[in-house]
Amino acid sequence: DTGVSQNPRHKITKRGQNVTFRCDPISEHNRLYWYRQTLGQGPEFLTYFQNEAQLEKSRLLSDRFSAERPKGSFSTLEIQRTEQGDSAMYLCASSLGQGEETQYFGPGTRLLVL
Amino acid sequence: GQQVMQIPQYQHVQEGEDFTTYCNSSTTLSNIQWYKQRPGGHPVFLIQLVKSGEVKKQKRLTFQFGEAKKNSSLHITATQTTDVGTYFCAGRNPTSGTYKYIFGTGTRLKVLA
Repeated sequence: DTGVSQNPRHKITKRGQNVTFRCDPISEHNRLYWYRQTLGQGPEFLTYFQNEAQLEKSRLLSDRFSAERPKGSFSTLEIQRTEQGDSAMYLCASSLGQGEETQYFGPGTRLLVL
Repeated sequence: GQQVMQIPQYQHVQEGEDFTTYCNSSTTLSNIQWYKQRPGGHPVFLIQLVKSGEVKKQKRLTFQFGEAKKNSSLHITATQTTDVGTYFCAGRNPTSGTYKYIFGTGTRLKVLA
């Protein structure tokens, strides 16, 4: 399967714990996006990368959220000191770039903070 | 900040009826993308519109981008049960110089057989 993959698919954690999610984009896609989606809402932009450079991060995000894409391939999203309000689906998407902006979404990681 | 609203929030139609969802941005957009998300699934790209006043068709789906590039619509003719899902528009601000996309609030479509 050459689509976008995300791991884990589900994560249950206790409040205050740190969690890390991984996204593997489609090969050769330059842009990688992270979104958060809660029930009944549209995907909310968190951050995006152009190759390994993080070009924009949502002002709504607290400092507890950090993302990396060290080699311009896979990316990780870390949430420190999780709160119940962090419970959501975290979606990753990639696009080729170079004039092609179609976003291909992964299946998401569903986070539940108890 | 940039906001993208969609109406209606929900729509129930009988199979065979038409359906339209409207997308309105608070700012001018560089382009507009439409996605479909089935229940329990992830968003899947449908189409992108770039030019002012552009109209594109995909079988029973017709997409339109407004003249001012601030609004868009998706019209489905003769809905089928396979059309069930939530339809999102997403736009990018041309003046921001980035490729950040803001998604709309979505329209959830239910088709009654």
